[in-house]
Amino acid sequence: EAEVAQSPRYKITEKSQAVAFWCDPISGHATLYWYRQILGQGPELLVQFQDESVVDDSQLPKDRFSAERLKGVDSTLKIQPAELGDSAMYLCASSPAAGPYEQYFGPGTRLTVT
Amino acid sequence: AQRVTQPEKLLSVFKGAPVELKCNYSYSGSPELFWYVQYSRQRLQLLLRHISRESIKGFTADLNKGETSFHLKKPFAQEEDSAMYYCALIPPGSGNTGKLIFGQGTTLQVKP
Repeated sequence: EAEVAQSPRYKITEKSQAVAFWCDPISGHATLYWYRQILGQGPELLVQFQDESVVDDSQLPKDRFSAERLKGVDSTLKIQPAELGDSAMYLCASSPAAGPYEQYFGPGTRLTVT
Repeated sequence: AQRVTQPEKLLSVFKGAPVELKCNYSYSGSPELFWYVQYSRQRLQLLLRHISRESIKGFTADLNKGETSFHLKKPFAQEEDSAMYYCALIPPGSGNTGKLIFGQGTTLQVKP
């Protein structure tokens, strides 16, 4: 069964360093989501792509975060510079299309900023 | 503020007991409502959605528009139901974005 892949699974970095996360959605899924989940809270959407275009990045801290999905397939989320408050789980999800459809989640990347 | 609220961080029941996981939302209109579940060491996955009105693993969820609630219920809990449960919705007026707003989650612990 096809699954969303993410790497790395764990990342420890020092504050002010750059960090990048990668997501490979289920083949054929046009819509890709990046969520951030702080410990003890539910996931919060950072950015949504429809193919290679950004649909919603209203909650993305654009001074330090960037995201791209150049060929409309896999995606990279970058943080530069990382801050202590960025420590969280970063989840990627995909769905066949935008709308009220099931979102398929990856295993997540656990980021710890020291 | 518009939000999804799950008032219980932890719900502990004995096997065979009824379960009700509460979810309240503060959006007006008709949001699309979902329950997602995360079992230990597994990824987050869809449990059920209001639009399909289906029962999954014995769970059902009733939408009460008057109380703006979407509580998840199961008549007889099983040990394998132990997991983290998230209520989520797509706000009205979000068009076709599919943007999910999640509650804080409730840990269900089913004791033998």
